[in-house]
Amino acid sequence: DIVMTQSPDSLAVSLGERATINCKSSQSILYRSNNKNHLAWYQQKPGQPPKLLIYWTSTRESGVPERFSGSGSGTDFTLTISSLQAEDVAVYYCQQYYTTPRTFGQGTRLEIK
Amino acid sequence: QVQLVQSGAEVKKPGASVKVSCKAAGYTFTDYNIHWVRQAPGQGLEWMGWINPKSGDAKYAQKFQGRVTMTRDTPITTGYMELSSLKSDDTAMYYCAREATTIGSAEFDPWGQGTLVTVSS
Repeated sequence: DIVMTQSPDSLAVSLGERATINCKSSQSILYRSNNKNHLAWYQQKPGQPPKLLIYWTSTRESGVPERFSGSGSGTDFTLTISSLQAEDVAVYYCQQYYTTPRTFGQGTRLEIK
Repeated sequence: QVQLVQSGAEVKKPGASVKVSCKAAGYTFTDYNIHWVRQAPGQGLEWMGWINPKSGDAKYAQKFQGRVTMTRDTPITTGYMELSSLKSDDTAMYYCAREATTIGSAEFDPWGQGTLVTVSS
């Protein structure tokens, strides 16, 4: 199984500042036939299901604010929130969909400092 | 719009089974795989398996092999996840989620609202 490891486990950032969450896969999730990394990011707020933010490592889902961006390749990936807003308080998960079983990172809790 | 609506909360005794439903709307049900993910209280997301609604073929995480069965009823565009021999640590929110594309593997979007299953004597 591909193990997804996020860092840090929790993060406190001031409003308007940048937040960065890292995700590392135990093996490459680059699919050579389409040259895409099969990585997604989800946001989960309390009492809600996860919401898709980013797929193919860096493609923002429709309606997701531009302050959210994804980057990386191979085994190392990053979710960046360029200017933290109060509504961004949530737990963030990365997920690989390169192979089955589909696996998630353990989550990163983002709070306001 | 595309949505998945799950059945209501369940309370079960240890050793019993539970069957959770996931009603799909707003798209062609047989074109997209359905996945099941669970989340224990205060914990992360755990993938359980998926079903191809067109063929009925299902694939399960090793951890749940022999205890989980995923099925579908195509005329009513509904998928099901049944978990047997329930234990207290099966207490969790269970989500269904649609694979976002019809070709190859993809991210999950949308998700159902979740079904809370509580296992308690």
